[in-house]
Amino acid sequence: AQKITQTQPGMFVQEKEAVTLDCTYDTSDQSYGLFWYKQPSSGEMIFLIYQGSYDEQNATEGRYSLNFQKARKSANLVISASQLGDSAMYFCAMRRTGGGNKLTFGTGTQLKVEL
Amino acid sequence: DAGITQSPRYKITETGRQVTLMCHQTWSHSYMFWYRQDLGHGLRLIYYSAAADITDKGEVPDGYVVSRSKTENFPLTLESATRSQTSVYFCASTPASPGELFFGEGSRLTVL
Repeated sequence: AQKITQTQPGMFVQEKEAVTLDCTYDTSDQSYGLFWYKQPSSGEMIFLIYQGSYDEQNATEGRYSLNFQKARKSANLVISASQLGDSAMYFCAMRRTGGGNKLTFGTGTQLKVEL
Repeated sequence: DAGITQSPRYKITETGRQVTLMCHQTWSHSYMFWYRQDLGHGLRLIYYSAAADITDKGEVPDGYVVSRSKTENFPLTLESATRSQTSVYFCASTPASPGELFFGEGSRLTVL
């Protein structure tokens, strides 16, 4: 069975600083995908970034990057130059290849960006 | 407008009543999903569907029923609602080729 662990229920960061949100996963599969979603207070789920298990480079999307350490089974999200609008809940998720395209989610990290 | 829509967005019901949450997508995505979101649990998969007339259980299927007679619709029914089913329910879809899930706006259900 797959499991996603997000050990930080809440995080604070000052505006313009970088912040790392932790995510570890447990799987015996060789092929899988890792995702990060953002959920602002309005409630919608916003896709941020994706990393495939065979991708050699860490994924980046604008201010978001995924620090993928396969041997440690970690997929941390790094947000650079935090903005007030980054305040939200962030979810890490994993998909098994051939597993019906379904995602298994972690419990989330609530990020608060302060002035 | 193209996208994935859920209805109702908010619903209050009583224990024992039947409730159906609707989900409609305009992309013709093969896969559709129902998740519930609860504090401390993140999102948990209730049911999913790989195509019309193909459905399968997720992590927490008890007390729920789904159907998928058309590709674009994936209703979720609580046959006899319980207080423990008070939650925010998200429908999502994705095409057959692996990619991110596209989520609806969520349906907040309160069971009294």
